[in-house]
Order: sequence, then C-alpha cells, then structure tokens
Amino acid sequence: SAVISQKPSRDICQRGTSLTIQCQVDSQVTMMFWYRQQPGQSLTLIATANQGSEATYESGFVIDKFPISRPNLTFSTLTVSNMSPEDSSIYLCSPLNRENTEAFFGQGTRLTVV
Amino acid sequence: LAKTTQPISMDSYEGQEVNITCSHNNIATNDYITWYQQFPSQGPRFIIQGYKTKVTNEVASLFIPADRKSSTLSLPRVSLSDTAVYYCLVGPPPSSNTGKLIFGQGTTLQVKP
Repeated sequence: SAVISQKPSRDICQRGTSLTIQCQVDSQVTMMFWYRQQPGQSLTLIATANQGSEATYESGFVIDKFPISRPNLTFSTLTVSNMSPEDSSIYLCSPLNRENTEAFFGQGTRLTVV
Repeated sequence: LAKTTQPISMDSYEGQEVNITCSHNNIATNDYITWYQQFPSQGPRFIIQGYKTKVTNEVASLFIPADRKSSTLSLPRVSLSDTAVYYCLVGPPPSSNTGKLIFGQGTTLQVKP
C-alpha cells in the first residue's frame, strides 16, 4: 500500500483566510481524490484531480472555493479559500491507481475555522 | 453507484461476534461490495471486498447472498479496539470506473468491556 503524508494534520484558522493542504504519496498514482468529512458525518467527495488536466468537482463544490493542484503523479494540494466556520471539517486525500482494488486515505487534516 | 443502507449504530461486548448488514437493492452486475473501517482522527481503512458468496480474510468475513441485494460483514470475537465506524460501499472496481467512492452514513460500532 502507498505511504500517504498529509499536511498539516490540523489547523485553526481565522475566517476569511485560506489554507492549503498538501498530500504527498511515496509512489506515482493516476488519480487523486479529495474528500470532506464534516463533524459526525460521513465522507463526501469534493473533487477528482488527475495530472495534466483540471480537477473535476462534484455537485456543490466549486473551483473558486476549493482550488486543487496536481503538479505531478505523487503530489496534490487542496486549498480551502475564504474560510467560514462552516468549512470546519476533516479533509482527506485518497490516491488511487486503476489496478487498485481498494482505496487508501491520508490521515486527514482537521480544520477549525473561528 | 448503488445506494447502501446500514444500521446507524450497534453495540456489542468484547469476545462476541458482530454482524453488520448492508442493503444495496440497486447493485449493478459489475459492482463489488467493499467495507471500510474508520477510527476517530484517521482516514478510512479497507477491511474486505467481495462480489458473491463468501469472502474471508484475517480480520473479517463477508457474506453475500445469491441475489447480491445485501451483504453482511462479520467480525469474529470483537475487542474494544474494534470500536469504529464501518462503511459499506458498492460500486465497480477502479479499473472500470472513475474510482470515486460514495460513502453512506456508516455504522458506528461500540464495543463494551
């Protein structure tokens, strides 16, 4: 299984600011998914990021709010922009190759917006 | 991607066998059934995956009836460390899919001493 390093592990941010979350994988992966897990809730997919193409966002998520970068096959970032308290959640990255039968997840970034 | 329905919560005691059932009436022919476990402050972790009949690994068994409209995750002799949220997901394998995972509400299992 891939070793996934997600940073920061947690942060407390002021409303109106932005936070960039990094996801580093120890091997090349074709797909990178970003999920959000609101307090006490299940995971919700934000977007899919493939290298060389723009990220594909799920309904309810837009690029201006959650810009994503995927500069190479081992790294991706998710930015939470112009944060409000409603953005307080855990954000998780999940790299995947098509030959995988299971998904792997980073440890998550616990974001609190005050 | 097929919708799944699981009990919201379950309680058990150490040493007991726990069975969590998931309903997925709209499962498609090429869908697999996959279970993930999530501890607090961690990302979900793969437990087991199956297509039909029974699958067993070192941590769990997965029972899938012939019609595949439901499945049961069986955890033998649970311990306190099995307290977690368990998610049942249904969908095609990454090789034939976008790779997206749709998580349902999950089942919170509380194991008591």
